[in-house]
Amino acid sequence: EVQLVESGGGLVKPGGSLRLSCAASGFTFSLHSMNWVRQAPGKGLEWVSSISSSGSYIYNADSVKGRFTISRDNAKNSLYLQMNSLRAEDTAVYYCAREVDATSGKFDYWGQGTLVTVSS
Amino acid sequence: QSVLTQPPSASGTPGQRVTISCSGSSSNIGSNTVNWYQQLPGTAPKFLIYSNNQRPSGVPDRFSGSKSGTSASLAISGLQSEDEADYYCATWDDSLNGVVFGGGTKLTVL
Repeated sequence: EVQLVESGGGLVKPGGSLRLSCAASGFTFSLHSMNWVRQAPGKGLEWVSSISSSGSYIYNADSVKGRFTISRDNAKNSLYLQMNSLRAEDTAVYYCAREVDATSGKFDYWGQGTLVTVSS
Repeated sequence: QSVLTQPPSASGTPGQRVTISCSGSSSNIGSNTVNWYQQLPGTAPKFLIYSNNQRPSGVPDRFSGSKSGTSASLAISGLQSEDEADYYCATWDDSLNGVVFGGGTKLTVL
């Protein structure tokens, strides 16, 4: 059974940093592109970042460029999101999602999400 | 402001057929396939339709998708109370070099 479990969310002050993790199991992690998608309270889905299966290709939304860094460790079946210079507008539930085909927006499995709150 | 445009709400009565539209441009829907997600209250999104009109295993055939030019649609026939959820379209955008989502449509079953 495919499982994606996010962790690392919490309360952080504006300008602060946080590192999210996503532990994957039940599939060959190294064969899939992985993504982070977020959802602000009461709002819609917003794609954040994507990383190819090998980690060679990375794409980021303009809203997080220069502040967030996606990475992965295929040996540990883990996906990460390093978030720096956090702003109030980054407050959201962050989901990790497995992508069926690279750069397709086809996310067949999602984690349960981890809440990040940016507030003083 | 979402790159893909969806109506904010839709509604129907049990048994009815409803459609939800998703409008984009040549750099996204016009050149890539469209995917749809269902999000029930308080849960993670669920993969509903991919590649314009394909259903993942386990998704009832009451759900169908289509695409024409720079627009796509999700149709739900035989509406059921458990279909009450938010629905999102998504695709890759060649200009933005990223995934774009619609703003979401809240479906109410009256």
